[in-house]
Amino acid sequence: RKEVEQDPGPFNVPEGATVAFNCTYSNSASQSFFWYRQDCRKEPKLLMSVYSSGNEDGRFTAQLNRASQYISLLIRDSKLSDSATYLCVVIDSSNTGKLIFGQGTTLQVKP
Amino acid sequence: SAVISQKPSRDICQRGTSLTIQCQVDSQVTMMFWYRQQPGQSLTLIATANQGSEATYESGFVIDKFPISRPNLTFSTLTVSNMSPEDSSIYLCSAQGISGANVLTFGAGSRLTVL
Repeated sequence: RKEVEQDPGPFNVPEGATVAFNCTYSNSASQSFFWYRQDCRKEPKLLMSVYSSGNEDGRFTAQLNRASQYISLLIRDSKLSDSATYLCVVIDSSNTGKLIFGQGTTLQVKP
Repeated sequence: SAVISQKPSRDICQRGTSLTIQCQVDSQVTMMFWYRQQPGQSLTLIATANQGSEATYESGFVIDKFPISRPNLTFSTLTVSNMSPEDSSIYLCSAQGISGANVLTFGAGSRLTVL
């Protein structure tokens, strides 16, 4: 089983739609979680951290479910500019602090 | 202005040659990492670049193939040695802690094509 798993998609949605991505992680001791965004032919950039209580940043909401070992990202009112690959990232629970990346979920927002 | 500068941004190389990628961070950072992203894939950690000592390699990556230098807290290099077409990939330098604890900031990547 992969350490971090995502549905690769692609998710094709119309502008204005609400879309949600899930990501599961295998190590129950993992402590820190993030969503990164990667545009085509660009480097990944931090979208948001995921906190235990859940957090919201504008149209984006991230949630963590420790019991089921998954995190989610909800995007409301999708824009064309949201089209990208969204990477789920988990911090290695050992002292190395390594970030483990999921394979990414591709979102395409269409007019 | 770029926080992490990486060069070359792209290169086309012949089989059997070696290429060194440079990564310059505009502030001192403790942790620097090198990742590889093959076409259509996610990021795979190659190694942690340790300042003043040998890099820590992940399973499947060895120093002879991917020698890494980290002479100070702002600079690192990754060499891809004796290249084959399977090494064609994007190589990404990253630093931790610039934008927040545990947050990775990436360079723009070096797109390598081996013929």
